[in-house]
Amino acid sequence: ETGVTQSPTHLIKTRGQQVTLRCSSQSGHNTVSWYQQALGQGPQFIFQYYREEENGRGNFPPRFSGLQFPNYSSELNVNALELDDSALYLCASSTYREQETQYFGPGTRLLVL
Amino acid sequence: AQKVTQAQTEISVVEKEDVTLDCVYETRDTTYYLFWYKQPPSGELVFLIRRNSFDEQNEISGRYSWNFQKSTSSFNFTITASQVVDSAVYFCALSENSGYSTLTFGKGTMLLVSP
Repeated sequence: ETGVTQSPTHLIKTRGQQVTLRCSSQSGHNTVSWYQQALGQGPQFIFQYYREEENGRGNFPPRFSGLQFPNYSSELNVNALELDDSALYLCASSTYREQETQYFGPGTRLLVL
Repeated sequence: AQKVTQAQTEISVVEKEDVTLDCVYETRDTTYYLFWYKQPPSGELVFLIRRNSFDEQNEISGRYSWNFQKSTSSFNFTITASQVVDSAVYFCALSENSGYSTLTFGKGTMLLVSP
C-alpha cells in the first residue's frame, strides 16, 4: 500500500448534484494530483495542487475544482454532475522534487444516475 | 502533445508462459520519464517502474523486465513465468518535464493468466 487514502470508496449521485471527494497524501508528499478514469480507459489528468494552489490543469471544465490544505490533503469538487462524470477518481501524491513519480490511492468510484 | 499507445487491449496466457506488453510513446521533449503501473481489480494503481529518457539500460526485477528503446520510442514490459496473481490491467505512462508533471497514460492492456 502507498499510504495514500481516499474517501469515500463508492458514491452514487444524481445528475445535477454536487460531490466532494477527499484524499490524504502519503507522509512526506506535498503535491497532489487528481485523475479521472472512465471504464476501460486510462486515467486522465484533472489537476495538480502544490502549496495549496493549483499547479497545473488538464482538459476539464471549471465545474471540476479542488483544494489543498496545509496538511497537504486535498479535495476534488464536481458541480452540476453529468452522467459522463461516472468514473473512478484517483488521487496521487508525490514530492515536488520528484513530482513525476506519483503514488496512487485506491480511488473513489462515482456513479451518476 | 504527448501520447502513449498500448496496442494490445487484452492478452490471455496460461500460467508459466512468458508475456510481453507493448508500449509506444510520442513526445517532443528530450527529457521525459516512462512508467509502468499495474491495476488489479481493486482499482488502485500500483507503481512498478520509472525510467528517465537518458537511461536506456534495460532492467530486470525478479520476474519482471523492461526494454526501453529510444530509437523506436518503445518501452516494453515482459513478465517471465507468469502467475495467476499477475492478472491485472497494466498501464504504460509518460511524464514530460513541463513545469508540473502530469502522467499521460495509455489505454491499458488487460492480462489474464489462467491456471
